[in-house]
Amino acid sequence: EDQVTQSPEALRLQEGESSSLNCSYTVSGLRGLFWYRQDPGKGPEFLFTLYSAGEEKEKERLKATLTKKESFLHITAPKPEDSATYLCAVQAWDDKIIFGKGTRLHILP
Amino acid sequence: GAVVSQHPSWVICKSGTSVKIECRSLDFQATTMFWYRQFPKKSLMLMATSNEGSKATYEQGVEKDKFLINHASLTLSTLTVTSAHPEDSSFYICSALDRTLSGNTIYFGEGSWLTVV
Repeated sequence: EDQVTQSPEALRLQEGESSSLNCSYTVSGLRGLFWYRQDPGKGPEFLFTLYSAGEEKEKERLKATLTKKESFLHITAPKPEDSATYLCAVQAWDDKIIFGKGTRLHILP
Repeated sequence: GAVVSQHPSWVICKSGTSVKIECRSLDFQATTMFWYRQFPKKSLMLMATSNEGSKATYEQGVEKDKFLINHASLTLSTLTVTSAHPEDSSFYICSALDRTLSGNTIYFGEGSWLTVV
């Protein structure tokens, strides 16, 4: 069964304390893996798409990596404004999109 | 800037009336769009997949006759909540699939808050 699991469910960090969010997946053929940021009361904001194992993408303090089983979203020296829910989703070869439940990230000043 | 526009951002309607929410892809043509519902502090719940020119595919448990989806053009999908009741109050979000030669990306609208009184 196609499945996406994100961990941890919630994460509290001090400002400047780097960490990683995990997205583990099982899917019948990966067409793409997506990362989003969602602020309360708003639609998810697109961050990255990764297509193949070994691929990495960066944007400001965020870096996303991909293996055949999981993806990590690394956050370096986070700031309070990085607080949000981070969502991971995978697209299977049949175009089905499966979302994880998200990781709620809270950066303390 | 936004590549998927959703309108209205918020709407209040009376019980028993119908309300329509629009989802537009601004910079690309989207043969596939998705509609979600989200409760406070909960994850996105896929309601249906909207395919241009054909009937939407609804997820199990979603009433087709209550949540009417139309995808009449490559840039517009609409969700109509018919005979709305207070329990239909929620945050509704759409997304659109942008297929390019270099790969696919899914962009989300800003969401629509529906309150049924």
